[in-house]
Amino acid sequence: GEEVAQTPKHLVRGEGQKAKLYCAPIKGHSYVFWYQQVLKNEFKFLISFQNENVFDETGMPKERFSAKCLPNSPCSLEIQATKLEDSAVYFCASSHTGNPGELFFGEGSRLTVL
Amino acid sequence: QKEVEQDPGPLSVPEGAIVSLNCTYSNSAFQYFMWYRQYSRKGPELLMYTYSSGNKEDGRFTAQVDKSSKYISLFIRDSQPSDSATYLCARNAGGTSYGKLTFGQGTILTVHP
Repeated sequence: GEEVAQTPKHLVRGEGQKAKLYCAPIKGHSYVFWYQQVLKNEFKFLISFQNENVFDETGMPKERFSAKCLPNSPCSLEIQATKLEDSAVYFCASSHTGNPGELFFGEGSRLTVL
Repeated sequence: QKEVEQDPGPLSVPEGAIVSLNCTYSNSAFQYFMWYRQYSRKGPELLMYTYSSGNKEDGRFTAQVDKSSKYISLFIRDSQPSDSATYLCARNAGGTSYGKLTFGQGTILTVHP
């Protein structure tokens, strides 16, 4: 597609439950990124993929967070045993090789942990 | 100290005003500089991108980078109500940090008719 598609738009989970978010990047883009936006404007890089391979995972809290980008499937970000502080908007972005700053963002998935 | 400092505003200006948005950064490894615009409940969209010191113009928007002072600016001429959004400066070191952006806190801009 011509835009990054994220689902669901909003997800509510009780503390300790699992949350899984999905992202379909723009067709032809080989890089996928996940960012977390907490408190409205604090963006935090989580992880990036080049095709189905992890490119950079330095931002991932590895204990409870995991992510995958498998061929012919949407990419996913999964949070096991959610905590209150995981409440945030999670943005997926994609990019084609060339401009390291030009990312195309989806509309985000808002996770609320109660 | 945050790696990237940006005045969060909010900034309110009348239609037609010139808007100046600014960021400072501390890490000299940053090579690429971007301005993103984020409307409410939407994802950020790239407005301007540059990798060198100097000015870059695109329509009503001008991005200015001063690497020696570690200072970047965005100027909006003839501002319109549709420019009302949050403006985020972002930086990237390139190379193995491809796509790993460091964002400022964002400046909330309102342009009133």
